[in-house]
Amino acid sequence: DQQVKQNSPSLSVQEGRISILNCDYTNSMFDYFLWYKKYPAEGPTFLISISSIKDKNEDGRFTVFLNKSAKHLSLHIVPSQPGDSAVYFCAASLWNDMRFGAGTRLTVKP
Amino acid sequence: KAGVTQTPRYLIKTRGQQVTLSCSPISGHRSVSWYQQTPGQGLQFLFEYFSETQRNKGNFPGRFSGRQFSNSRSEMNVSTLELGDSALYLCASSGGLAGGTGLSTDTQYFGPGTRLTVL
Repeated sequence: DQQVKQNSPSLSVQEGRISILNCDYTNSMFDYFLWYKKYPAEGPTFLISISSIKDKNEDGRFTVFLNKSAKHLSLHIVPSQPGDSAVYFCAASLWNDMRFGAGTRLTVKP
Repeated sequence: KAGVTQTPRYLIKTRGQQVTLSCSPISGHRSVSWYQQTPGQGLQFLFEYFSETQRNKGNFPGRFSGRQFSNSRSEMNVSTLELGDSALYLCASSGGLAGGTGLSTDTQYFGPGTRLTVL
């Protein structure tokens, strides 16, 4: 069962513009949400997270928004840079049981 | 601090064989989780070990098993390999301690993965 879904397998944006990556989940018990970034031949690296008691968390160019009523999570990257090109996974966690989405491949064009 | 290491990095097996993958967590981390990554399926959770005990388990058949040693190193075993088991297997380590309210606030740190090909 896919408890975490990323419905867009790919996204292409121009350098300097905003990238918005979306994620939906089905289990309302998830209490912690994370975004990971993955480059080819490397393991995913942690990017940003948000607790279920918040609706926004910001870290530099990266902002994660959580809409609990819609069970929706999004990652905003502003401004996007070519080095941001990677696969982005969203994850939802409950008691260290972490479920990932299928990933969205972001391409930032110079 | 050294990161999470996984061995071997690449492995080729044939159907019906078994395989053991190894993961060494970051020093001091007590939780090790295993994931399978296949194209289009993203990262699928296999299981999590904490202090030598399996604490969480995903929806994988019994052919997939694991264990954790007293030094927190973990192994994953897949028996009777099938073609569909070809994937990148990732392990991740974390402190493993949930907050008092049960919030899972640990960040997981991933290893580079083991690429398993089943022929």
